[in-house]
Amino acid sequence: EVQLLESGGGLVQPGGSLRLSCAISGFTFNTSAMNWVRQAPGKGLEWVSTLSVSGGPRDYADSVKGRFTISRDSSKNTLYLQMNNLRADDTAIYYCAKSPAAYSSSWHTPFDPWGQGTLVTVSS
Amino acid sequence: EIVLTQSPGTLSLSPGERTTLSCRASRSVSSSQLAWYQQKPGQSPRLLIYDASNRATGIPDRFSGSGSGTDFTLTISRLEPEDFAVYYCQQYGSSPRTFGQGTKVEIK
Repeated sequence: EVQLLESGGGLVQPGGSLRLSCAISGFTFNTSAMNWVRQAPGKGLEWVSTLSVSGGPRDYADSVKGRFTISRDSSKNTLYLQMNNLRADDTAIYYCAKSPAAYSSSWHTPFDPWGQGTLVTVSS
Repeated sequence: EIVLTQSPGTLSLSPGERTTLSCRASRSVSSSQLAWYQQKPGQSPRLLIYDASNRATGIPDRFSGSGSGTDFTLTISRLEPEDFAVYYCQQYGSSPRTFGQGTKVEIK
């Protein structure tokens, strides 16, 4: 069974940094692109970043480009999102989501399944 | 950026009714790379439909998707109590991947 478990959220001051983790099980990174999506309290969904199957090409929303970095550690079966220079409008639940294996090497994919999310609050 | 506009914002319906949700794109969605998700309060989103019309694994056949280009719809043929939730469309054919603002289906 595919499982995704996020951690690392919490309260951070504006300008601070945080690293989110997403522990995976039931599959390996070399079969799926991986994604981060966020949801501000009471708001809709916003795509944040995608990491390709190869682990090379990365894609980011303009709102986080230059501040956030997506990466993975295959030996630890963990996906990361390093978030620097955090702002109040980065406050959200952050979900990691898998790209279906059927999409093979593509990184333009739907997201399935999703983890349960981890809450990041940026406030002084 | 492709902007997705969902309508209506809220639907008030009764169990057993049929409903259609709309998702309109600001420009053509590449290869009908459009998905629909369901999100219930306190839960993460769940994929219902991908590639505009394909049901994801385990999704009941009362859910169906259609459309191409700029106009897409999600139809629920007969609402069950567990279907009352927020529904989002998403295009993943071009970057940035974008979501619609959501349609809430509530119990009347």
